[in-house]
This record gives sequence, C-alpha cells and structure tokens, in this order.
Amino acid sequence: DTEVTQTPKHLVMGMTNKKSLKCEQHMGHRAMYWYKQKAKKPPELMFVYSYEKLSINESVPSRFSPECPNSSLLNLHLHALQPEDSALYLCASSQDRGDRITDTQYFGPGTRLTVL
Amino acid sequence: AQKITQTQPGMFVQEKEAVTLDCTYDTSDPSYGLFWYKQPSSGEMIFLIYQGSYDQQNATEGRYSLNFQKARKSANLVISASQLGDSAMYFCAMREVLFTGNQFYFGTGTSLTVIP
Repeated sequence: DTEVTQTPKHLVMGMTNKKSLKCEQHMGHRAMYWYKQKAKKPPELMFVYSYEKLSINESVPSRFSPECPNSSLLNLHLHALQPEDSALYLCASSQDRGDRITDTQYFGPGTRLTVL
Repeated sequence: AQKITQTQPGMFVQEKEAVTLDCTYDTSDPSYGLFWYKQPSSGEMIFLIYQGSYDQQNATEGRYSLNFQKARKSANLVISASQLGDSAMYFCAMREVLFTGNQFYFGTGTSLTVIP
C-alpha cells in the first residue's frame, strides 16, 4: 500500500483566517514533505521532516508553519495568507533509511487552496 | 544550471502508438536516482518508474520503460501502446545521494495528450 492521504481536498480561505492542512501515511516512512505547486509548474519544496525533525526549510514565509506530531502525520498551519499563496499543496513521504538512491517519494492527492 | 531539463513542453501521440518523453540531468554526484511521475488533471503525482545510477539495465514497469544513457546523462521515458488515460503532465526528477540528501529536483514537465 503506497497511500498518502490529505485533507481537505479543497480549501477556500480569507487573508485573515487560520487553517490547517493535514497529511497522513501508514507506510512506516520516516521522511515527510510539503510541496507547493502552481498550475503548469513543477512542485516546489517547502519543508522536509526526517524522523520527526525539521531537516529542510526552503526559506518559506512564516505564515506557513509545519508540524510533525508523529511519524505518520504532517500538518501545515496557515495564517494570514496572501492571494499569491493560492496553489496545490502536495504532501509526500519516503522511507528515508538505508539505500537513499532508491528512496522514492510517494505523493498524496493534494489540497487545492484558494486565498481570497 | 538546471539539474533536470525536459525540453518538450507539450507532446501529442496517437492512441496505441509509443511515445518518448525526454529528460536530461546534470550532476557530479556518482550516486543518484532518477524518477518519473505522472500528474493527471486531478493533481495527484503518481510514481511511475525509477532508475539508479549504478543500474546496468534499463528499468521497465508494465508499459513504461526508461531509456537510461548514463554517458549522455539522459533518462527518457518510453510509454508503449498509449492509452487515453495517459494524457497528463509527466515530470522527471532526480535525487542526489551524497550532495543534497532528501531533496528531489524536478524538471519543468511535459504535457502529453493522447489522441483517439
């Protein structure tokens, strides 16, 4: 089973709202990722958690706040977003142990976020 | 310099025909993995096929095969017997093991349209 789930599928929020995106995997993977993707563009890495520790933060604005409560869950807390933050937000996970060459990322279906 | 280059923004193929999607990469890391993902309009990134830098044989997964030419630093995806459901964006990606750990580099993608 290579399933990564994400909720919600769609989210519309105002610039003053606070919301959270959720991601879950039960594959025993130890690395989890958040990506932002604009239409017709490749995904852009935002954050990486490895063994529940933040290992990569790609200079993302502080209005995005990641959280990894345990090895299966990853949240992205959103606050005071801008309209240009509207995008598809993808979560992924990978094993992150042993053979790193073969460490494949498996993606969730994404959350389509619209900021009004 | 771009780590992954996909030079075909859009491709068309007749149903049941084969199609090759191009991908070239740039790395001096001796250990790396190459990945292809399919992204339908629904948004989910679906893992298709993987090739490691030390693999002697080209990878195959069902109708997908990877034409790996290490000296030319190319990793083209071949889809045989195209189906209407193959219409999607296709992304080539690379992981460098020694240099950048958990980071994936994505190409700009190729939009494939299968014509009935």
